[in-house]
Amino acid sequence: KAGVTQTPRYLIKTRGQQVTLSCSPISGHRSVSWYQQTPGQGLQFLFEYFSETQRNKGNFPGRFSGRQFSNSRSEMNVSTLELGDSALYLCASSTTSGSIEQFFGPGTRLTVL
Amino acid sequence: AQSVTQLGSHVSVSEGALVLLRCNYSSSVPPYLFWYVQYPNQGLQLLLKYTTGATLVKGINGFEAEFKKSETSFHLTKPSAHMSDAAEYFCAAKLQGGSEKLVFGKGTKLTVNP
Repeated sequence: KAGVTQTPRYLIKTRGQQVTLSCSPISGHRSVSWYQQTPGQGLQFLFEYFSETQRNKGNFPGRFSGRQFSNSRSEMNVSTLELGDSALYLCASSTTSGSIEQFFGPGTRLTVL
Repeated sequence: AQSVTQLGSHVSVSEGALVLLRCNYSSSVPPYLFWYVQYPNQGLQLLLKYTTGATLVKGINGFEAEFKKSETSFHLTKPSAHMSDAAEYFCAAKLQGGSEKLVFGKGTKLTVNP
């Protein structure tokens, strides 16, 4: 069974631009969560999607948004990029919302110049 | 609010020595607890998890952890370190019956010296 895939793996943007990251969960998994990892703040929860609905949201500004499609693939979007948005963005999938275990993808490394 | 504290951002051991990485949680109800490992430029890989039942949990690559409710701890150990264990380790907690949200510790970078 293929694992969680994230595209692209690396991305370079400039301040003010917007970016869209994609995550394909493990086949059969319907819940997708997103996390931001930075050296200063560590790993922080962004949001969770299940059945195309946002179920939970972390403490991030409205510039961070996401969505989930009927095939459970998810995208997250960051508008008006700031230098501080440079991070590794990790996607995790699980069978259903509230599952005990999450499986992580390799991440997308975003650099904002 | 739930929180996870990892004592020691860097731990260095010799190859063959005991590995001990410390994790304490703060939660009114014991949460589900996890240890993840992250190698450079990679995502997180689950080492082991505690849900209910046996408090000594065995994971992959020879790692194990013991849940101690009285100490609100979930320390990770491995009897004999291997060079391939060098990585960053994250302890995480998740409320039982709660959302998908994992709360992570700041991580401990393990160095293994030959």
